[in-house]
Order: sequence, then structure tokens, then C-alpha cells
Amino acid sequence: GAVVSQHPSWVICKSGTSVKIECRSLDFQATTMFWYRQFPKQSLMLMATSNEGSKATYEQGVEKDKFLINHASLTLSTLTVTSAHPEDSSFYICSARSIAGGPNEQFFGPGTRLTVL
Amino acid sequence: AQSVTQLDSHVSVSEGTPVLLRCNYSSSYSPSLFWYVQHPNKGLQLLLKYTSAATLVKGINGFEAEFKKSETSFHLTKPSAHMSDAAEYFCVVSERYTGGFKTIFGAGTRLFVKA
Repeated sequence: GAVVSQHPSWVICKSGTSVKIECRSLDFQATTMFWYRQFPKQSLMLMATSNEGSKATYEQGVEKDKFLINHASLTLSTLTVTSAHPEDSSFYICSARSIAGGPNEQFFGPGTRLTVL
Repeated sequence: AQSVTQLDSHVSVSEGTPVLLRCNYSSSYSPSLFWYVQHPNKGLQLLLKYTSAATLVKGINGFEAEFKKSETSFHLTKPSAHMSDAAEYFCVVSERYTGGFKTIFGAGTRLFVKA
């Protein structure tokens, strides 16, 4: 149980295009989903927190107009990287917190590797 | 305010010898603490978690960690390392605040296992 999937697992795009990444909780409902990015050999940095049906809360320094987050249902959140540039190349990981889950536990997706040429 | 410090960026052990990955934290309230493992180009896998129950927590693959409030530590140990344990390990602290939950990752410790 408590599986989180991400799609796609990897994507290569041209500079200036937009890329959408999906995060799904497969067997539970998630009131809150989190988006992280991870640069090579570095730790995960929280980008934003999204709650179903409301606007995402972005961490300081994260451009909300560049990284659009939509949490339209209790099982799906999407991250859209708009007008991507090479510096946006990174590993993006989502996580979800279950409505009925254990205290403070998050379940992580497998990650999406984005490469912007 | 929360913070997590993983005291070693790299740890190298020989196969069959004990593993110790150190983690210190600071938290304003009663935190939940986690250890995750990440293999190259993979997502995160939960090894174990502490959530105010028993201070000695046993996890998967023979790992365990002890919550020591007086030392604000949550070190990860394993009696005997296996080659498959080579990976990146993250110590994570999470606590509730008025707006929800806040989760902070440590910088990570790369574990190398020599044959």
C-alpha cells in the first residue's frame, strides 16, 4: 500500500517549452502533496506544498509563475515547468501525505528526471 | 526552528563490518524522524521512522536507529554491511506547526561498501 507514481519517469525537452509532470497516489487519498527538486549529489529541496482544492504554497526563492502546481483531486497533483531552461534540469520528486496515514509520514514517488537542452 | 545535520557526507565501510550514519536535529516541538535510502537515479525508500513511541526503532534490511532526546541525535546503524547497502541516506525531521507539517531533509550521507 501507500504507492505514489510519477509520470513521466524521464523527459528531455527543448529550451523554451513547457513540461508537465504528474504525481498520483495510487491506493490512498492525499490531502497534501509536496514537490521537491534534487540536483546531482545534493539533498532534496522542497519547492512547494499543495493541498487539494487550494493554491500551492511555494518555498522562498521558488518562482510560482514558472513552476505551476495543480492539485485538482485527492489522488493527483501536477507540476508544470513553464518555459524551461537548461538550469531547470533536475530530478523532481513528489510526495504525498495520506488522509489516514501515520503521523507525519510522507510517501515518495520514484522521481522524474528532466533534461532541458 | 527545524534543522537536520548529517555529520558525514561520505562513509566507507568494508562488507560485513558495522555501519554508523550520524544525524543530529533541532526541533521546537516533538518531531517525527525518518531515515530514507536512495539508490542512484531512484526515488526514496523509507528505512524506518520514529514517532514518539519506542526510542529504538527497527527498520528494513537490518537497519535500526535510536532516538536520543538528550543528545538530539537519531543515528542509523546496521551490524553488518552488505554490498547492496551502498547508496545515499537521508535523515529527515518532520513536525507539525499551525499551518500544517514541515519536513526538512539532511544533506545526505553517501555510503560506500568495499568488498
